Amino acid sequence: DIQMTQSPSTLSASVGDRVTITCRASQYISNWLAWYQQKPGRAPKILIYKASTLESGVPSRFSGSGSGTEFTLTISSLQPDDFATYYCQQYNTYWTFGQGTKVEIK
Amino acid sequence: EVQLSESGGGLAQPGGSLRLSCAASGFTFSTYAMSWVRQAPGKGLEWVSTLSGSGSTTYYGDSVKGRVTISRDNSKNTVYLQMNSLRVEDTAVYYCAKVREVATIHPFDNWGQGTLVTVSS
Repeated sequence: DIQMTQSPSTLSASVGDRVTITCRASQYISNWLAWYQQKPGRAPKILIYKASTLESGVPSRFSGSGSGTEFTLTISSLQPDDFATYYCQQYNTYWTFGQGTKVEIK
Repeated sequence: EVQLSESGGGLAQPGGSLRLSCAASGFTFSTYAMSWVRQAPGKGLEWVSTLSGSGSTTYYGDSVKGRVTISRDNSKNTVYLQMNSLRVEDTAVYYCAKVREVATIHPFDNWGQGTLVTVSS
């Protein structure tokens, strides 16, 4: 099974900050990686797929990069609506989520 | 607009059964694989199961394999998750999700609101 490890688990940041979340796969997954945002009590929302392709309607301050086993999600300028939990997901072999990164207000 | 609406959650006893349903609209249902993802209280997301658009291919996560069955009725635009031999650790919000592209193994682009399953004596 492919394991996904995100870091950090929690991130404290201020509005306007540049934020980076890392996701590592336990084995090679090419670019078969997605990122989701989830707010409390709500369903997840897809942000990025194929490691770096922005889903339609997602603000351009979100970007993804990486391939192989190391990936990053970057928010270029954190907005109030961005405080949430973020999950990576591999879909190279079935589906596996990372454990999540909570972005909280500093 | 894609809409997914889960139902069937509730309280079940350990060892019991529940059947979850997810009614879909707003897209050609039979073309897309459908999945179930769960989230235990205060925990992260866990993929449970996926079924191809035709219903011919199924995938299950290790923690539920042998205890759950995913199925679909394309005439009713509905996907189901039959859960048997329920355990306390199956307690979670269960989300139904649509696979993003026609090929089965892709991420999930639309999600329902979730239905809560509580397993307790």
